[in-house]
Amino acid sequence: AQKITQTQPGMFVQEKEAVTLDCTYDTSDPSYGLFWYKQPSSGEMIFLIYQGSYDQQNATEGRYSLNFQKARKSANLVISASQLGDSAMYFCVGRSYSGGGADGLTFGKGTHLIIQP
Amino acid sequence: DTAVSQTPKYLVTQMGNDKSIKCEQNLGHDTMYWYKQDSKKFLKIMFSYNNKELIINETVPNRFSPKSPDKAHLNLHINSLELGDSAVYFCASSQPTGGGKETQYFGPGTRLLVL
Repeated sequence: AQKITQTQPGMFVQEKEAVTLDCTYDTSDPSYGLFWYKQPSSGEMIFLIYQGSYDQQNATEGRYSLNFQKARKSANLVISASQLGDSAMYFCVGRSYSGGGADGLTFGKGTHLIIQP
Repeated sequence: DTAVSQTPKYLVTQMGNDKSIKCEQNLGHDTMYWYKQDSKKFLKIMFSYNNKELIINETVPNRFSPKSPDKAHLNLHINSLELGDSAVYFCASSQPTGGGKETQYFGPGTRLLVL
């Protein structure tokens, strides 16, 4: 089982600045994955980025990058050059692969990011 | 060409009623899930099915019963609705990859309000 902790309930950031959203995780499983999802005010859940526990390099997807520090058990999301459309809830999510079955995702409580013009 | 669809999008009903939420995915995935998002935006897994077989059944009241007629559909039936069932229910699907990246794709959510 995993526990995902997001310590920032809300953040205000100026447009065009870089943003770091914090996430720490706790698991005893050797094989796991970490995801970030975005939920805008319209309500849908949008997949952003994935990091596997055995991946050697930090994941990047366009303006999103994942700062994965395995020893610290942290998987922070970095958004470069923030845009107004980045305003949304962001969830750090974990998944264990050790069970071998169709494991569900474990969600953090989310960070509400607001980009200000 | 929606990947994961849910109906209805909104559901307002009285306490004690029985209701169903339908989910369909056209991604060819073998695994489907139901999640509940409460009023504080916290999401929690409820059920997962792999190829029509129940895999995960978290601590959910037995008033909730998932049904998977085929691997593209996973419906959620709720009996004797209670006020605390008010939430957003998300369906998701994924394709097992044997340990690698396995992204779950979410439906748009069903907003259930029990009065």
